[in-house]
Formats: sequence, structure tokens, C-alpha cells
Amino acid sequence: KNQVEQSPQSLIILEGKNCTLQCNYTVSPFSNLRWYKQDTGRGPVSLTIMTFSENTKSNGRYTATLDADTKQSSLHITASQLSDSASYICVVSDRGSTLGRLYFGRGTQLTVWP
Amino acid sequence: EADIYQTPRYLVIGTGKKITLECSQTMGHDKMYWYQQDPGMELHLIHYSYGVNSTEKGDLSSESTVSRIRTEHFPLTLESARPSHTSQYLCASSESGQRAYEQYFGPGTRLTVT
Repeated sequence: KNQVEQSPQSLIILEGKNCTLQCNYTVSPFSNLRWYKQDTGRGPVSLTIMTFSENTKSNGRYTATLDADTKQSSLHITASQLSDSASYICVVSDRGSTLGRLYFGRGTQLTVWP
Repeated sequence: EADIYQTPRYLVIGTGKKITLECSQTMGHDKMYWYQQDPGMELHLIHYSYGVNSTEKGDLSSESTVSRIRTEHFPLTLESARPSHTSQYLCASSESGQRAYEQYFGPGTRLTVT
């Protein structure tokens, strides 16, 4: 069964600190992995998308890494801000799907305190 | 900012009522999707469409129905709402073709059935 597991489930950090979120997946075959940010009561917004050949991608203070061999990804947030408080969702797409259907993790709930 | 809209944003309705959740996108995307998300849980695909007059059921069984008469419009209907339908419903769209990686999400409709 294709699965996406994220850790930790929730995380509290102080403003200005860095943090790293983890994602392990068993989806096969693999097409791409993306990280989304979902604010409370809103739809997810894409942060990064990585294909098989990419092992790191940055978007401002967000840096995602991918190890396709171990089927692990991480999202590193530097110099956190209050607006970073949100759920961060790891999503994996399988290569076999022409629809581009996605397998979603349950997300890591990040809270940034002042 | 993605040009995909959902109305209403919040809906509280009694058991047995018929409801339609609206979703529109102005990006000309062929593919559209409906997801259901409960608090703290992953998104589940309930319906998708490849284009006009194309609709398919997703991974999660749902009593809702959808239609795709126009490219930009993908409404979801519940003929008789029940408390078990209480959830957040997210609409998304994406381009067609091999590089259809990016799904753009609407803000969601929070449905409560009393």
C-alpha cells in the first residue's frame, strides 16, 4: 500500500529558530514529491516540487531535500516567522498515474511562538 | 496566487437538505479535483475530471456527485446531507500533459450538517 508518513505530528518553536520536518514514503513507482503549506481553514499552497533527479530545492526560507534511494524527504525552515505557523503536508505522486494523482501525508502542525 | 474559487466558504445545514458546493477556476485547466479533509487527517480524493463531460470517482467513496459542463466550473452536489458529510471540501485544478505536477487548491468549503 502506498503511504506517506510525516514526523513530528506537531512542533512548537520560537520565532527566529530553525526547524526540520520529515517525510518517509513507500509510494512506487515514484514521480515527484512536493511540500505544501496549509494555513488553518485554507487550501494547501505549494512550496516545492522535486522530481527523481533532484535532491534539493529552495523557496526562500524553505529548503526541501529528497533521497529517492531511502525514500525520505525533509523540509527545513530557517529563521522562522510567526506566519510560518501552519500545517506542512508532504505529497508524493506515482509515475504510473496519467492523472497525476497524489498520496498525501497527514501533515506536521508547526506553531511559531513570539 | 491561484485563480481558483470556492463558495460558500462555510455552510451549516440541516439533515436531508440538498446542497451544491461551487468551484471555479480561471486558469483554463483541463483537470479538476475534489478532496475531502477531516481535521488532522490527510486529504482524500473523492472526484476528478479530465475535462468537459468527464467525471470519475476518486479513492474515497462519497455519496456526492459532480458535473463538468464547462471547463472552468466543477460543482459538487449532495442530494441529502447527513451529519457524516460534515467535513472540509477542497477543490483543485491542474494542467494536462506530462508536466502536470502542480495542483492549485481553492480555499475550501467547511460543511457542517446538523
